[in-house]
Amino acid sequence: KNQVEQSPQSLIILEGKNCTLQCNYTVSPFSNLRWYKQDTGRGPVSLTIMTFSENTKSNGRYTATLDADTKQSSLHITASQLSDSASYICVVSRNNAGNMLTFGGGTRLMVKP
Amino acid sequence: SAVISQKPSRDICQRGTSLTIQCQVDSQVTMMFWYRQQPGQSLTLIATANQGSEATYESGFVIDKFPISRPNLTFSTLTVSNMSPEDSSIYLCSVVAVLAGGPRLTDTQYFGPGTRLTVL
Repeated sequence: KNQVEQSPQSLIILEGKNCTLQCNYTVSPFSNLRWYKQDTGRGPVSLTIMTFSENTKSNGRYTATLDADTKQSSLHITASQLSDSASYICVVSRNNAGNMLTFGGGTRLMVKP
Repeated sequence: SAVISQKPSRDICQRGTSLTIQCQVDSQVTMMFWYRQQPGQSLTLIATANQGSEATYESGFVIDKFPISRPNLTFSTLTVSNMSPEDSSIYLCSVVAVLAGGPRLTDTQYFGPGTRLTVL
């Protein structure tokens, strides 16, 4: 069964601190893995996308890693800001067409001053 | 990138009525998708809407309940029919930002802001 599991479900950190979110998947075949940020009441916004051959990709203070052998990914947030408070969703795609996405349950991050 | 707008942004409806949600994209796209996000849950794909053909529905979703129109390459509608409180969700439109007939980009999945539906 194709599944994407994320941990932790929720996380509270202080502003300025770093944090790492985890994503484990059992999706086959594998095309790419994406991390999205979803602010409350908004649609998800893409942060990174990685194919099988990529093991790290950065987008500003966000750095995603991918270990295709162990089927694990992480999203590291550096020097967190209050605006980082959101849900972070790991999504694994079985193709490039957009109709074979498996969504993780998300990690709800709250950054406190 | 693709900029997606949805109307309405939110609505409160009575049981048994229907609501049509509009999705407008600022560029021509081949594939459009409709997702549902129930409270506290992640996204679930309802259907894929291709221009010029019938929508393809995922398991658990049927055309009579969620009719979809795709009259051109920049617009689609999703209707939630005969609503019940269980239909209370956020409905999101999504596109793969590939120009019709053009090359495929790597980072191409974009989501609209969503329509928050509450059914009483």
